[in-house]
Amino acid sequence: DIVMTQSPDSLTVSLGERATINCKSSQSVLDNSNNKNYLIWYQQKPGQPPKVLISWASTRESGVPDRFSGSGSGTDFTLTISSLQAEDVAVYYCQQYYGSPPWTFGQGTKVEIK
Amino acid sequence: EVQLVESGGGLVQPGGSLRLSCAASGLTFSGYWMNWVRQAPGKGLEWVATISSDGSQKYYVDSVKGRFTFSRDNTKNSLYLQMNSLRAEDTAVYYCARETRRRLDCWGQGTLVTVSS
Repeated sequence: DIVMTQSPDSLTVSLGERATINCKSSQSVLDNSNNKNYLIWYQQKPGQPPKVLISWASTRESGVPDRFSGSGSGTDFTLTISSLQAEDVAVYYCQQYYGSPPWTFGQGTKVEIK
Repeated sequence: EVQLVESGGGLVQPGGSLRLSCAASGLTFSGYWMNWVRQAPGKGLEWVATISSDGSQKYYVDSVKGRFTFSRDNTKNSLYLQMNSLRAEDTAVYYCARETRRRLDCWGQGTLVTVSS
């Protein structure tokens, strides 16, 4: 099974500052046949189900503010919030969707305001 | 608008059984693979099971294999998760979620399962 490891576990950032979350997979999630990384980023706010922010490692979902961006390939990925807003307080998860199940999640990164 | 509504959660003793349901609306249900994902209190997300659009393919996380059964009724736009031999570590909010283009793009609000004596 592919193990997903996020860092840090929690992050405190001032409003308007940059937040960076890392996600590392135990094996590559890049499909060389189509050059797609099967890596998803979700945001979960308290009391709510998760919401997809970014798919294919770097494709922002419709309606997601452009301050959210994803990057990386293979085994190392990053979610960046370029200018943290109050409504971005949440837990962020990466998930791999490579090959066949199990589809594994990272342990989550909690983002708070300083 | 796509809606997924879970039900069937509750308190059950260790070793007991529970059947969760997920009612879907606002989508062509039979066209989608569907999933269950759970979240223990204060913990992260754990994928539990996936079922193909026609119900012929099913996959489970190792910890529930042989105990949980995922099924669907496309005539009723519904999913079911039969959970047997429940353990304390199965305590969680269980979400049903739609899979589209290799991501879980629509989630229900979840139903809480508590396994305790």
